[in-house]
Amino acid sequence: SQTIHQWPATLVQPVGSPLSLECTVEGTSNPNLYWYRQAAGRGLQLLFYSVGIGQISSEVPQNLSASRPQDRQFILSSKKLLLSDSGFYLCAWNLGANEQFFGPGTRLTVL
Amino acid sequence: DAKTTQPNSMESNEEEPVHLPCNHSTISGTDYIHWYRQLPSQGPEYVIHGLTSNVNNRMASLAIAEDRKSSTLILHRATLRDAAVYYCILRDRNRDDKIIFGKGTRLHILP
Repeated sequence: SQTIHQWPATLVQPVGSPLSLECTVEGTSNPNLYWYRQAAGRGLQLLFYSVGIGQISSEVPQNLSASRPQDRQFILSSKKLLLSDSGFYLCAWNLGANEQFFGPGTRLTVL
Repeated sequence: DAKTTQPNSMESNEEEPVHLPCNHSTISGTDYIHWYRQLPSQGPEYVIHGLTSNVNNRMASLAIAEDRKSSTLILHRATLRDAAVYYCILRDRNRDDKIIFGKGTRLHILP
């Protein structure tokens, strides 16, 4: 069966510090991968998606970046965090137009 | 992209059926109607999807209008654990479309 992992579960970082969030998927090959962010009390915002290794599409301009070094690994990064980067970060995967599966999420607080 | 319209919030009593409406008047012939829900502090989870015919699964039923311009998610017997934000989303079955979440309907269950 397929499983999606995200870590860490929670993170508190100072403004200006770097960020690296990791997501891995097990039990499937060549999935589409997604990063979403949900600010407190707000909706889900799609940040990045990837249809293959090294292929990243950005949905919104920001100081975040994403990379896909392996088929089932998706990384969200920042060189310098802003206060506005606080939120609940969710990784997700799907195969084509089928059901999408979400990870447990990382709750990031930037102080 | 075809859009969906949902009420911002709804209330229902525990152990009663809940009907969550969704309008999608610009739906195309190849769009599937998907429903997801997001419980507090969790990532979204898939509920159900359909194309033209009504669908049933262990979580819910999906009733699709004959002209496909609207649909209704039916929870047959709501419990407190069904309190969540419910999202109605259209996905083209022929494309690897990214999922863009709208605001959804926040469902409150009254004990």
